[in-house]
Amino acid sequence: GIQVEQSPPDLILQEGANSTLRCNFSDSVNNLQWFHQNPWGQLINLFYIPSGTKQNGRLSATTVATERYSLLYISSSQTTDSGVYFCAMDTGRRALTFGSGTRLQVQP
Amino acid sequence: KAGVTQTPRYLIKTRGQQVTLSCSPISGHRSVSWYQQTPGQGLQFLFEYFSETQRNKGNFPGRFSGRQFSNSRSEMNVSTLELGDSALYLCASSLQADLADTQYFGPGTRLTVL
Repeated sequence: GIQVEQSPPDLILQEGANSTLRCNFSDSVNNLQWFHQNPWGQLINLFYIPSGTKQNGRLSATTVATERYSLLYISSSQTTDSGVYFCAMDTGRRALTFGSGTRLQVQP
Repeated sequence: KAGVTQTPRYLIKTRGQQVTLSCSPISGHRSVSWYQQTPGQGLQFLFEYFSETQRNKGNFPGRFSGRQFSNSRSEMNVSTLELGDSALYLCASSLQADLADTQYFGPGTRLTVL
């Protein structure tokens, strides 16, 4: 099946720092999405990005489908950015396969 | 517009019991998916429903079942609970039948099996 790998597994930042999270996938990209899970467990969809670049405020994402990776950029991080970031891809059967996540802790 | 709601939020059961979890999608959404999240296995797909039909099921035993009602609300049932069923159960809804559409997740039901 499709393999989705994320790095780094853990990241600690000082408030105001920038970061880049990476997602590698083993098959042709299909409906790649990025999610943020807050400390209370709520999963929020950040981007649907099968290719190209999108930006939403301090967050942006780029997917290079030909090289099978996607990047999530967080600029000027805030403590509210803490949580776990997941990338996920459709298996082709209307089911998302999630990576193992990057746990981000932003310290004040 | 109200988001995806899940009830109950927390649940404690003992081994051998059964449990039913409920998910109400965003109004107008017809696709509902269920996921199990555990520290060891991460987020895993359980099943997906569209217009009362289960279209896809993940690699889980038959103890896990679900259904969708005509108003798109969905329930999942786990029978003969095992300790390993302790997890956060998340449901997601989307407007279209295609995963190209944005998935909106509920807050989850945290199930503890003792």
